[in-house]
Parts: sequence; structure tokens; C-alpha cells
Amino acid sequence: EVQLVESGGGLVQPGGSLRLSCAASGFTVSSNYMSWVRQAPGKGLEWVSVIYSGGSTYYADSVKGRFTISRDNSKNTLYLQMNSLRAEDTAVYYCARDRGKYQLPFDYWGQGTLVTVSS
Amino acid sequence: VIWMTQSPSLLSASTGDRVTISCRMSQGISSYLAWYQQKPGKAPELLIYAASTLQSGVPSRFSGSGSGTDFTLTISCLQSEDFATYYCQQYYSFPRTFGQGTKVEIK
Repeated sequence: EVQLVESGGGLVQPGGSLRLSCAASGFTVSSNYMSWVRQAPGKGLEWVSVIYSGGSTYYADSVKGRFTISRDNSKNTLYLQMNSLRAEDTAVYYCARDRGKYQLPFDYWGQGTLVTVSS
Repeated sequence: VIWMTQSPSLLSASTGDRVTISCRMSQGISSYLAWYQQKPGKAPELLIYAASTLQSGVPSRFSGSGSGTDFTLTISCLQSEDFATYYCQQYYSFPRTFGQGTKVEIK
């Protein structure tokens, strides 16, 4: 059974850092594209970043230069390192299996982890 | 960036109604469009991909149509469990983009 479990969210001050984790089971992270998507309170969905199976990474303009997506193949885990956090980064962050490699969309999502940026 | 216009943003309907949600792209995306359902406090769930293909386990009252720039999600006979927010998403190119969402509420 495919499962994604995020962790690492919490309260952080503006300018601070946080690292989110997404532990996967039932499939191999490194064989798939993996994306992070966020949702600000009461708002819609915003794609944040993707890491390709080959290791290439892409970011939304809103987080470029501040966030870094990575993975640990030995732990089958995806990460999102978030630096220089701003109030507008407050959101629930979801990891999702991105089937773009097969011309398909996100088919599995984690339960989400809440990041609150506030002083 | 491919911009998406989803309408309506709010839809009031009754159980048993037929409802339609639209999604328009700023440029053609062939059929690389998905629809998701999201309930409060939960992650989105994939309903339809490739514009009209039902994800496994999704009831047949859901259907999708369209290609190029104009797409539609139809729920043929609204059930109580269908009251939720629906999002379209293009996966033709990066950045992936989502529609603004349509909240389907009980009339």
C-alpha cells in the first residue's frame, strides 16, 4: 500500500528555517517524481517544488532561492529545507507522488504538515 | 506559466442535482488535466486524470470532458459525500498550476 507521511512542521519566526520530511512506503521515491504542494489557511493549492527521478529540481518563483528539495534514497524519504521563512509561507505542506514521468498527475498525497511563520 | 480560471467559486446544490464545474486554461494543454476533491482538514484526492479518465475507485457519477483550453467536471447525481471543494490542475508543464477551487455546498 502506498503511503506518504509528512513531519517537521511547526511554529517558526520570520527569517527562520525548518526542514520537512515525507516518509514514503509502498513505492520507491527515487524512481518517481516527487512534489511539494502547499495550502495557506482557507486558500487554494499552490505547487512548490519537484524533484525528478534523475535528480533535477524545480521551484515555484515564490520559493526559489529559499527552499531546497532533496531526498534520501536509503530512507526512501523526501525533504523540503525551508530557509528565510516569511509570513506568507504559512500553510499546510503536502508531499505528493508526481506521475509526470508517465504523463499523469499527483496520485498519492500525504496528510500534510502545518507550518506557521509568526513572531 | 499556464493560468487557470475555474468557475464557479461557490456552487449551492441539493442532493440528486447534476452539477458542472468549468476550468479554462490560458493556453492549450492537450488533455493533461486532472480534477481533485478535497474535504475539510484532508489532503486532496485524485478523481479524474487525462481530462476524462476516472481514477480507480471513483464513482461513475463523476465525469470529465474537454481538451485544449476548456474542461468540465460533471457530477451527475450529487450525493451527500460529494459536498467538498474541487480543484482542476494542469500537468502539461511546470510550474504545475491549480484552479482557484469550487466549493460545492448544500443549498
